Amino acid sequence: EAGVVQSPRYKIIEKKQPVAFWCNPISGHNTLYWYLQNLGQGPELLIRYENEEAVDDSQLPKDRFSAERLKGVDSTLKIQPAELGDSAVYLCASSAQGALINQPQHFGDGTRLSIL
Amino acid sequence: AQSVTQPDIHITVSEGASLELRCNYSYGATPYLFWYVQSPGQGLQLLLKYFSGDTLVQGIKGFEAEFKRSQSSFNLRKPSVHWSDAAEYFCAVAPGVGTYKYIFGTGTRLKVLA
Repeated sequence: EAGVVQSPRYKIIEKKQPVAFWCNPISGHNTLYWYLQNLGQGPELLIRYENEEAVDDSQLPKDRFSAERLKGVDSTLKIQPAELGDSAVYLCASSAQGALINQPQHFGDGTRLSIL
Repeated sequence: AQSVTQPDIHITVSEGASLELRCNYSYGATPYLFWYVQSPGQGLQLLLKYFSGDTLVQGIKGFEAEFKRSQSSFNLRKPSVHWSDAAEYFCAVAPGVGTYKYIFGTGTRLKVLA
């Protein structure tokens, strides 16, 4: 079974530029999560999708962050414009059968973003 | 508010020695508890989880964890550490049924001496 795939693995951009991250969840997983992981910290949830619907985006800074999951499979997270404080690792995770707690979340390897 | 505390930021052990990583949580009821491991440049891999029942949980890679309600703890253990266990370990809590929001601790970085 293929795991959660994220790309790119690394991204370096200048501040104020736009950037996008892509995530392909495990096949059959309806629930998709985007997390932000700052250096030396645990992941923090940004947004959760059930199929194509964003059911919890309360932690997403909507002035500059956006996400989509148009066909309920892969997803894109965008930042525009990027700020220095956005330097972090962006993790995608997926789980089966909705957000039931007995379906653990499986994580991708993340995208490490550096803002110059 | 729920919280997770991993009091040890760094731990160093010799290969073959035993290991215990501490995790304490703050929550009114019994939460769902997880341990994840993150190798450098990698995502998080689930080691084990506790939902209910036997308070001693076995996981992958020879890890186990024990839930102690009286101490609000879920410590991770391994009897003999291997050099490949060097990584960062995260404890996570989910408040209960019907919720998906994991609350992660700040992690413990494990270094293994040859």
